[in-house]
Amino acid sequence: SQTIHQWPATLVQPVGSPLSLECTVEGTSNPNLYWYRQAAGRGLQLLFYSVGIGQISSEVPQNLSASRPQDRQFILSSKKLLLSDSGFYLCAWSFTGGPYQPQHFGDGTRLSIL
Amino acid sequence: GNSVTQMEGPVTLSEEAFLTINCTYTATGYPSLFWYVQYPGEGLQLLLKATKADDKGSNKGFEATYRKETTSFHLEKGSVQVSDSAVYFCALRANAGGTSYGKLTFGQGTILTVHP
Repeated sequence: SQTIHQWPATLVQPVGSPLSLECTVEGTSNPNLYWYRQAAGRGLQLLFYSVGIGQISSEVPQNLSASRPQDRQFILSSKKLLLSDSGFYLCAWSFTGGPYQPQHFGDGTRLSIL
Repeated sequence: GNSVTQMEGPVTLSEEAFLTINCTYTATGYPSLFWYVQYPGEGLQLLLKATKADDKGSNKGFEATYRKETTSFHLEKGSVQVSDSAVYFCALRANAGGTSYGKLTFGQGTILTVHP
């Protein structure tokens, strides 16, 4: 079976500091990968998605970037965090083939910017 | 474009009450439909899905039927428990050939609170 891991679970960072959140998937190959941000426990915003190694698509302009250095690894980064980057970040994956596949989510990272 | 509209919350019920959370969608073609549940402090879990018209998805006592004629996918449960308190998200995946990349369109979420 497939599993998805996100870490860290919580993170407190000062404004202007860098960020690196990591997500890995086990038990499948060549998944589609996604990063979301969720504000105030509601409303998911898709930030990035990737259909393969080195292939990143951005959905919204922002202070963040994403990378996929390996098939099942997805990293969310920032060089300098802003207060507005606070939120709950979720990674998700789906099978590449077939039109009916749902996304499967990690447990999320709670990011607080001071 | 695609969109999903959920009933406004929050929804507050007593234990053993009947639950309905309305969800309607706009999409071209024949999307797949999903309900996700998010417990406090956790990620989203897939609750149920339906991939074609008249399909009924069910899990843990929850049900939803894909109604193409009314473009709806309402979530129901006959008798809710305190442990069902969570945020519920309706979502669709457009089946637009190979160009959707598995992206989902989510509703805004409905907060459910069940009291003993």
